[in-house]
Amino acid sequence: AQSVSQHNHHVILSEAASLELGCNYSYGGTVNLFWYVQYPGQHLQLLLKYFSGDPLVKGIKGFEAEFIKSKFSFNLRKPSVQWSDTAEYFCAVNSGPGGYQKVTFGTGTKLQVIP
Amino acid sequence: NAGVTQTPKFRVLKTGQSMTLLCAQDMNHEYMYWYRQDPGMGLRLIHYSVGEGTTAKGEVPDGYNVSRLKKQNFLLGLESAAPSQTSVYFCASSRAATTDTQYFGPGTRLTVL
Repeated sequence: AQSVSQHNHHVILSEAASLELGCNYSYGGTVNLFWYVQYPGQHLQLLLKYFSGDPLVKGIKGFEAEFIKSKFSFNLRKPSVQWSDTAEYFCAVNSGPGGYQKVTFGTGTKLQVIP
Repeated sequence: NAGVTQTPKFRVLKTGQSMTLLCAQDMNHEYMYWYRQDPGMGLRLIHYSVGEGTTAKGEVPDGYNVSRLKKQNFLLGLESAAPSQTSVYFCASSRAATTDTQYFGPGTRLTVL
């Protein structure tokens, strides 16, 4: 069964610091990868996704993620965080041979940005 | 275009009571999902539907039932609520496959005493 690991449960950064949130998955076949974000009091929304092609994916609000197949990783990065980036971030993976392909979410990483 | 809406936003139940959570989407999406979110456990899929009239079990289906009588609505039922079902419930929908972006509702916070 596929699984997703987010090793950082709670990250605290000062504004302008660089961010990297780790995401590793277990499935060895073709995968589709997502990062979702949940701002305080709001519902989850898509930050970025990778299906194929360039392994460096750019998303909204200056976020990017790099798919490294050999490491089974899809880490989220941002060069300079802002207070408004305070949120919970979820990595998700979708895989399988066809038909219904379950999306598995990680446990989430809470990011707190201090002004 | 309201996207995905959920009713109610909050609810408190006593053990053994029943209730139904309603999810509605106006994007003509085929796929709909119910998740629960618990601290430290991320989102776990309860049930899902790949089209009107179809439903299937997810990771944690026990104690829940669902129905998709209309394409735009996906109902989650708790027949006999238990404290272990205290959680935040999210509904989501996607256009035509699970590879598509999922659009989430605002969530329902349920407390079972």
